[in-house]
Amino acid sequence: AQSVSQHNHHVILSEAASLELGCNYSYGGTVNLFWYVQYPGQHLQLLLKYFSGDPLVKGIKGFEAEFIKSKFSFNLRKPSVQWSDTAEYFCAVTVNRDDKIIFGKGTRLHILP
Amino acid sequence: NAGVTQTPKFRILKIGQSMTLQCAQDMNHNYMYWYRQDPGMGLKLIYYSVGAGITDKGEVPNGYNVSRSTTEDFPLRLELAAPSQTSVYFCASSYPDLRQGADSPLHFGNGTRLTVT
Repeated sequence: AQSVSQHNHHVILSEAASLELGCNYSYGGTVNLFWYVQYPGQHLQLLLKYFSGDPLVKGIKGFEAEFIKSKFSFNLRKPSVQWSDTAEYFCAVTVNRDDKIIFGKGTRLHILP
Repeated sequence: NAGVTQTPKFRILKIGQSMTLQCAQDMNHNYMYWYRQDPGMGLKLIYYSVGAGITDKGEVPNGYNVSRSTTEDFPLRLELAAPSQTSVYFCASSYPDLRQGADSPLHFGNGTRLTVT
């Protein structure tokens, strides 16, 4: 069955620390990959997306992610986090132009001021 | 431009009651989805639709029904509410080709918080 794994359920960092959130998927076909963010009390918003081409994808608010096909991974990174990055982050994937978008369980990020 | 509109925002149901969660989009998106979000579980796909008259099960369809009589509307029906259906429900829509759309492949509504007691 299709699945998306996010390794970290809860991450606590201080401001200016570097961030890396893990995401792995379990399919061998062509994938489309996404990272979404959900700020407290809001709906999900897209951070970045990968369809093809350069495996290093840059998104909004200084976030980036790298698609490593051999590792089935799409980890999210940010060099220096801010207090306003406190939110829940979701990795998502579609496979072989499938119609379904499957989400991981999310990583709750808490930034200490 | 309203985007994806969900109603109601909040609802409390008693066990065994029924209700319909409404979802409407004005972007002429063919694809629509219903997700539920539970703490620590992420978003689980309940049902989705690739166009009017076409629906399909997602990851957790049991206890729910959907219909898609028009492109704009995709209501989610709970026939016999159970405490396990206490959750936040998100409706979303997209173009058939996820590469379309300058911003986000998926456009989400603001959610419906449902409590079943």
